[in-house]
Amino acid sequence: AQSVTQLGSHVSVSEGALVLLRCNYSSSVPPYLFWYVQYPNQGLQLLLKYTTGATLVKGINGFEAEFKKSETSFHLTKPSAHMSDAAEYFCAEEDSSYKLIFGSGTRLLVRP
Amino acid sequence: NAGVMQNPRHLVRRRGQEARLRCSPMKGHSHVYWYRQLPEEGLKFMVYLQKENIIDESGMPKERFSAEFPKEGPSILRIQQVVRGDSAAYFCASSPGTGAMNTEAFFGQGTRLTVV
Repeated sequence: AQSVTQLGSHVSVSEGALVLLRCNYSSSVPPYLFWYVQYPNQGLQLLLKYTTGATLVKGINGFEAEFKKSETSFHLTKPSAHMSDAAEYFCAEEDSSYKLIFGSGTRLLVRP
Repeated sequence: NAGVMQNPRHLVRRRGQEARLRCSPMKGHSHVYWYRQLPEEGLKFMVYLQKENIIDESGMPKERFSAEFPKEGPSILRIQQVVRGDSAAYFCASSPGTGAMNTEAFFGQGTRLTVV
């Protein structure tokens, strides 16, 4: 069965520091990959997605992610964290039946 | 994603009661997905529906849970005889159903079910 692994359930960074949230997928075929953000008591908002083409994907709010097939990874980065980035982040993969397989999430804390 | 409407936003039920969760997809979207998020966990797929058809219900518990998406009206996720373990946030997503499904899918804000 396909799975998505997010290393680190909690990540804490200082404001202005680099954000790196890790995601590894398991699919053996070219996957569709997604990063979502969830603010407290809210739904999921799509940050960015990878389908085909360029492996470096830029999303909203200054986030980007790079698809690395050799590492089966799709890590999310942002050069400089802002207080408003504090939220929970979910990596997901679309399976062959068009449903999303989610990781368990990473809660990002931004320290002033 | 404000276009996917879920109601109620919060629902409290006593053990043994029924819970009905509604999802109105975005205009023009004919595909609906339901996901469940247990506390401190990621989202887990439950069911995928098109108008009047269940396409994939592999994530639905075998008993007490059912879903429908009628020709007219919202999609309904129904939980009969709720138990404390059903307490979770239930999210609906809709998609136009063409091309890569989830690249055009949007999520609602969820219904938070609390069973007391």
